[in-house]
Amino acid sequence: GAVVSQHPSRVICKSGTSVKIECRSLDFQATTMFWYRQFPKQSLMLMATSNEGSKATYEQGVEKDKFLINHASLTLSTLTVTSAHPEDSSFYICSARDVAGEYNEQFFGPGTRLTVL
Amino acid sequence: LAKTTQPISMDSYEGQEVNITCSHNNIATNDYITWYQQFPSQGPRFIIQGYKTKVTNEVASLFIPADRKSSTLSLPRVSLSDTAVYYCLVGALNTGFQKLVFGTGTRLLVSP
Repeated sequence: GAVVSQHPSRVICKSGTSVKIECRSLDFQATTMFWYRQFPKQSLMLMATSNEGSKATYEQGVEKDKFLINHASLTLSTLTVTSAHPEDSSFYICSARDVAGEYNEQFFGPGTRLTVL
Repeated sequence: LAKTTQPISMDSYEGQEVNITCSHNNIATNDYITWYQQFPSQGPRFIIQGYKTKVTNEVASLFIPADRKSSTLSLPRVSLSDTAVYYCLVGALNTGFQKLVFGTGTRLLVSP
């Protein structure tokens, strides 16, 4: 199947700093990518939908000014956690939809483990 | 988006067949049923997708009754490496984007 990568795989930062996470579709183009957050022992929670060339759509309760999303090309979306705090520590996962695929399914990245000290 | 209900956890032994049932009473006409598998600290991985009746691939089968209000993921002869969380999702496939909403999932533990 199609491959989605994330970078970095894990990051540790100090409280108050900003962290950027990249999501790339390696062998297909994705006009739409999704960002999820997952806390330990919990399910994935959709944060926002990233649209190439336009503004992201955020889910209710997700602060758009804190979680900045940029989808500048058909293969790259970035999530920036601004002024990170310990409660932002989580597992962040992106996905991209391969509309040309057999099942039109979403492919998920390996995730980024963020730890804010 | 249709809400799904799954058992929180299931236990099995190596070599057994495991069936995980998902309820989706409010499934819409255009909705497909998709199952994903997730290992710890990894992103979910697509397993199987179907609309009605039965679908089978190299790793699993998906059984969907005529009313489509439920579906059953069948894993034949599980091994220890099948220990994971399995998510059932329903959603429409269209020319736009498909927004997936994950439920609690089923935590499957396979023991020797």
